[in-house]
Amino acid sequence: QSVLTQPPSVSGAPGQRVTISCTGNSSNIGAGYDVHWYQHLPGSAPKLLIYVTNNRPSGVPDRFSGSRSGTSASLAIAGLQAEDEADYYCQSYDSRLSEFFVFGTGTKVTV
Amino acid sequence: QVQLQQSGPGLVKPSQTLSLTCAISGASVSGNNIAWNWIRQSPSRGLEWLGRTYYRSKWYNDYAASVKSRIVIKPDTSKNQFSLQLNSVTPDDTAVYYCTRTTTLGTSSVFDVWGQGTVVTVSS
Repeated sequence: QSVLTQPPSVSGAPGQRVTISCTGNSSNIGAGYDVHWYQHLPGSAPKLLIYVTNNRPSGVPDRFSGSRSGTSASLAIAGLQAEDEADYYCQSYDSRLSEFFVFGTGTKVTV
Repeated sequence: QVQLQQSGPGLVKPSQTLSLTCAISGASVSGNNIAWNWIRQSPSRGLEWLGRTYYRSKWYNDYAASVKSRIVIKPDTSKNQFSLQLNSVTPDDTAVYYCTRTTTLGTSSVFDVWGQGTVVTVSS
């Protein structure tokens, strides 16, 4: 089971703002390791959405934003659209596990 | 534009070897500051990083502790591709397998390119 915990699901109406939390501990997010977010649309491969807390790759709308505080990070989606319905995963590094890459448990966003 | 095209069988018998290949276009498997990874996704394990290969004057590999004893990831420079071999599979290895590229953005390595995914079922 992952060391990064996300809520199984969040939902919102079109146009609303939703946030997804990613809760870790002192060996990952709390230790200052970078957090990234991926969007997994049905039938597609995951896609990099946010990197190093709050940076968007080219082509990602500015409706998506990230933040972090203490042992947690968050992804916010403003102006929710039907096309945002997908699974979202956070990702970081964990020094205790010595795994280069650890993923969150994933959150299903329903619009 | 970098693209990854996966190939390999979708059904593997228990105790046998799972083998997948990932063909790269638009980049070199020997490129600097990048690495080539395998990740899998299943309902029980979620997204799980399995390992990577990369070239920094010579070839290196890193593997996840959970599969370290039975995994091999190899580059093939002649075909510009890399492969995954997972030995002694069990039904618990049933998952969607993705090949991916990591590149450095800011201060981190991120998975910026993904293959289309291969559904692999381990069953007799």
